Amino acid sequence: DQQVKQNSPSLSVQEGRISILNCDYTNSMFDYFLWYKKYPAEGPTFLISISSIKDKNEDGRFTVFLNKSAKHLSLHIVPSQPGDSAVYFCAASLGTSYDKVIFGPGTSLSVIP
Amino acid sequence: DGGITQSPKYLFRKEGQNVTLSCEQNLNHDAMYWYRQDPGQGLRLIYYSQIVNDFQKGDIAEGYSVSREKKESFPLTVTSAQKNPTAFYLCASRSGDSVNTEAFFGQGTRLTVV
Repeated sequence: DQQVKQNSPSLSVQEGRISILNCDYTNSMFDYFLWYKKYPAEGPTFLISISSIKDKNEDGRFTVFLNKSAKHLSLHIVPSQPGDSAVYFCAASLGTSYDKVIFGPGTSLSVIP
Repeated sequence: DGGITQSPKYLFRKEGQNVTLSCEQNLNHDAMYWYRQDPGQGLRLIYYSQIVNDFQKGDIAEGYSVSREKKESFPLTVTSAQKNPTAFYLCASRSGDSVNTEAFFGQGTRLTVV
């Protein structure tokens, strides 16, 4: 049973519009959440994170929102650019040790020029 | 340039054979990790090492073995005991084990058993 779910395998968005990638989790004990981006033929790279004590974290065009009561987080990309086309992985951590990080299956984002 | 390198990119193995995947980093990172990715699933932790000559099993260690004789290197052996070895394997490293420390990933090795 997956503890971190990304129910949309793929998403297409027009350039300049907002991309919203969703992630749901089942374990209320998760206390740190991360997003990674992966281009084809490359390893994932860290994008943005949020602690469970916050409900929003922003870094340039990327904002992550956390709704603990709904066990839901989302990544907003505004405005979307063709270079944002990639697979996005949501991950959640139990505690501070990285071996406790659990990854979702990923959502493939296509930004159409 | 500093980075983490996995080789080979593609690997084919006959059933019953052991095969070793290479992971090398020149980032001076203490912690290294091996993950497996299957279609429709997230990355699953196979083994990790926080220091030279020490490593721990992850969630799916059965059928795999590792060594950490050097800080820079963390090879993964997929043994014949691994029932379903065909998958995409990713190696990662970080300067510390804390989740606050960014992880750097290699490009991955796609292993196919034929």
